[in-house]
Amino acid sequence: DTAVSQTPKYLVTQMGNDKSIKCEQNLGHDTMYWYKQDSKKFLKIMFSYNNKELIINETVPNRFSPKSPDKAHLNLHINSLELGDSAVYFCASSQMRGGFYEQYFGPGTRLTVT
Amino acid sequence: AQSVTQLGSHVSVSEGALVLLRCNYSSSVPPYLFWYVQYPNQGLQLLLKYTTGATLVKGINGFEAEFKKSETSFHLTKPSAHMSDAAEYFCAVSYSGAGSYQLTFGKGTKLSVIP
Repeated sequence: DTAVSQTPKYLVTQMGNDKSIKCEQNLGHDTMYWYKQDSKKFLKIMFSYNNKELIINETVPNRFSPKSPDKAHLNLHINSLELGDSAVYFCASSQMRGGFYEQYFGPGTRLTVT
Repeated sequence: AQSVTQLGSHVSVSEGALVLLRCNYSSSVPPYLFWYVQYPNQGLQLLLKYTTGATLVKGINGFEAEFKKSETSFHLTKPSAHMSDAAEYFCAVSYSGAGSYQLTFGKGTKLSVIP
């Protein structure tokens, strides 16, 4: 059973389009995250939800909007896609909020904007 | 504020040789430290973590790391490299207390293993 899953794995789209990435975890964790990994492999936190409540909202364009329908799901919607949005997006989850808890990562979604 | 510095963006070792990947952290409070591995086209997998207690931490796949507070370091080692160890390795830091849910990652070190 996959612990943290993301769909789609690859996403190729044109500038200006709107797209969504879905994430689901079956670990029973309370906290979920979205990270962006750029072309140099640098990982940066974007958002975090704890029990459907937004707890981290880093400085990302407001074209990015997370949504958590329940604590097992965290989706990422991106409006008006730009070339600079091309990256790998990782979803992660942890048992609870707090630095003590390790995070479990999904396989990533490679977004290419042309 | 916390930060992580990984020395060497690319490390090459021969198969069977010692692996040493360096990580130094900056944190104003006692840190929690993690090493993650990323294989090509995959997500990150936890290798090991230090929270409290024993400063020498053993992880999966024969890796271990030692927390040295005086040197603010958390270097990752493995006595004998295997071809399957070729991957990207990330050191990350968090801490206890308010707002501690955020992991800060280093820029990663790509490990190549030469047959």
